[in-house]
Amino acid sequence: DAGITQSPRYKITETGRQVTLMCHQTWSHSYMFWYRQDLGHGLRLIYYSAAADITDKGEVPDGYVVSRSKTENFPLTLESATRSQTSVYFCASRGTSGALLNNEQFFGPGTRLTVL
Amino acid sequence: QKEVEQNSGPLSVPEGAIASLNCTYSDRGSQSFFWYRQYSGKSPELIMSIYSNGDKEDGRFTAQLNKASQYVSLLIRDSQPSDSATYLCAVIRLTGGGNKLTFGTGTQLKVEL
Repeated sequence: DAGITQSPRYKITETGRQVTLMCHQTWSHSYMFWYRQDLGHGLRLIYYSAAADITDKGEVPDGYVVSRSKTENFPLTLESATRSQTSVYFCASRGTSGALLNNEQFFGPGTRLTVL
Repeated sequence: QKEVEQNSGPLSVPEGAIASLNCTYSDRGSQSFFWYRQYSGKSPELIMSIYSNGDKEDGRFTAQLNKASQYVSLLIRDSQPSDSATYLCAVIRLTGGGNKLTFGTGTQLKVEL
């Protein structure tokens, strides 16, 4: 199916474990983003990528690692999960056609992560 | 001061009324402004974007931008129960680059029968 997908949709893990959240988009969008959403904080940018092999930190990158070897995939890894990383994680993508300011991002369905 | 501020609500309006959602931003260099709607347990979806001062209308939705006052609003006419959701305001900052959106924490809207 066309669009942006995330897996798993739900994940429970324990403190200290490594967890990888997957994001896949079929539009060949250049830009991809990872956000976390928490009550009282709204959506906060973790990492983003402008193209394959180009990534950069967002507002809250500590404890996370990303990679982008292929345009369509943008996995997010929590190297050693902590309880404070319990959150809902959204992946988003955006193309580069049209004006730069037309930053219409499309969001995936989200992954609800619980760290015990 | 938060970069993008919204009243968390809930904002309750009767069905058929006009709902007015407000957002202020701190960076005068912000150029583009967006309204996303997010239903409970779902992902945000873009409903309006605005780049120039003034009003932009799309169906029952009108976005209003006043850069001098650093204020952007969303009006929903003839509100329906299906409009009940959280509305997120987002802006693009010129500083820092990277084509990144900054979101407010959202306003919860409840449309009552």
